[in-house]
Amino acid sequence: QKEVEQDPGPLSVPEGAIVSLNCTYSNSAFQYFMWYRQYSRKGPELLMYTYSSGNKEDGRFTAQVDKSSKYISLFIRDSQPSDSATYLCAMSPNYGGSQGNLIFGKGTKLSVKP
Amino acid sequence: NAGVTQTPKFQVLKTGQSMTLQCAQDMNHEYMSWYRQDPGMGLRLIHYSVGAGITDQGEVPNGYNVSRSTTEDFPLRLLSAAPSQTSVYFCASSPPGLAGTEQFFGPGTRLTVL
Repeated sequence: QKEVEQDPGPLSVPEGAIVSLNCTYSNSAFQYFMWYRQYSRKGPELLMYTYSSGNKEDGRFTAQVDKSSKYISLFIRDSQPSDSATYLCAMSPNYGGSQGNLIFGKGTKLSVKP
Repeated sequence: NAGVTQTPKFQVLKTGQSMTLQCAQDMNHEYMSWYRQDPGMGLRLIHYSVGAGITDQGEVPNGYNVSRSTTEDFPLRLLSAAPSQTSVYFCASSPPGLAGTEQFFGPGTRLTVL
């Protein structure tokens, strides 16, 4: 079993829909949970990160972490065509230090149709 | 700031050839890393460095060498290219203390080995 599992999609939704993206993981040592967004032929960019369990909201984006279920989610409200990208979850056990080795999911490709 | 820059953008090699992928950052970040991204495999860490003169292996280091003589530069060397090294390569950097969360990615180098 891979450490981080993410459904690759593709996921296609109409503009304005609520999008739910998810990852599961097996390593209970993970403490930091991130979502990166990657546009086609570009490098990933950090969208949000959360520490331990709980929710975090930033505009139309909400990240949720459920450590008891080893499950994280990213919700996008009022989705826009500009949200069309691949969304990568990433996790690490440490904050900085000598590791900094993020473990990435495979990414979910999202397409928002006008 | 230019951020993280990578050269070349595209490269085609023949099996057995060697080459160096260049990566530079102008943000004075201590942590730098190299990833490869393959369809269905996600991002996998090749090598990383926590500062000048210090490097370590990631998940998939075989066939690659790195060195870090300055804070700004972190080149990746392919010693004898193989078709299995056909991939998109991303360099990333991170400020002190944030390596486990926010990493700034370059635009990538698309490498094809024939």
